[in-house]
Amino acid sequence: EAGVAQSPRYKIIEKRQSVAFWCNPISGHATLYWYQQILGQGPKLLIQFQNNGVVDDSQLPKDRFSAERLKGVDSTLKIQPAKLEDSAVYLCASSAQGLTGRDTQYFGPGTRLTVL
Amino acid sequence: AQSVAQPEDQVNVAEGNPLTVKCTYSVSGNPYLFWYVQYPNRGLQFLLKYITGDNLVKGSYGFEAEFNKSQTSFHLKKPSALVSDSALYFCAVRDAGGYQKVTFGTGTKLQVIP
Repeated sequence: EAGVAQSPRYKIIEKRQSVAFWCNPISGHATLYWYQQILGQGPKLLIQFQNNGVVDDSQLPKDRFSAERLKGVDSTLKIQPAKLEDSAVYLCASSAQGLTGRDTQYFGPGTRLTVL
Repeated sequence: AQSVAQPEDQVNVAEGNPLTVKCTYSVSGNPYLFWYVQYPNRGLQFLLKYITGDNLVKGSYGFEAEFNKSQTSFHLKKPSALVSDSALYFCAVRDAGGYQKVTFGTGTKLQVIP
């Protein structure tokens, strides 16, 4: 079974530029998550999708971050404009259902973003 | 609000010795508890989870964890550490009631010394 795919693996941009990350979840998984992991910290949930609907985006900085999951499969996360404090690893995860909280989340390799 | 604490930033253990990585949690209801491992430049890999039932949970790579409700703990253990176990370990919790996001701890770096 193929795992969660993410691209790019690394990205370096200057502040105020925009950037987009892509995620393809495990086939058949209804729930998709985007996490931000700052160095030395645990992952922080940015947004959770159930199929193509948003379940939780309470920690997403909506003035600069946006995410979509068209057709309920793959997803993109965008930052525009980027700030220095956005430097982090952005992790995508998926789970079979997710809403019960029992499901295991499977993570992709992440995208390491450096904002200069 | 739910929270999880990993009190040790780093744990050092000699190869072949037993290891313990500590985790305590706080939720208003019953918890779902998870352990993940992260190797350098990799995403998180699932090790094990407690949902209900037996307090001793066995997971991947010989790891196990014991759910202790009275002490609100879910410590990760392995009888005999391997050098290849050296990695970053994250504990995570979710309140079983209603919708709550999963909250991750800050991680514990495990160093197994040959």
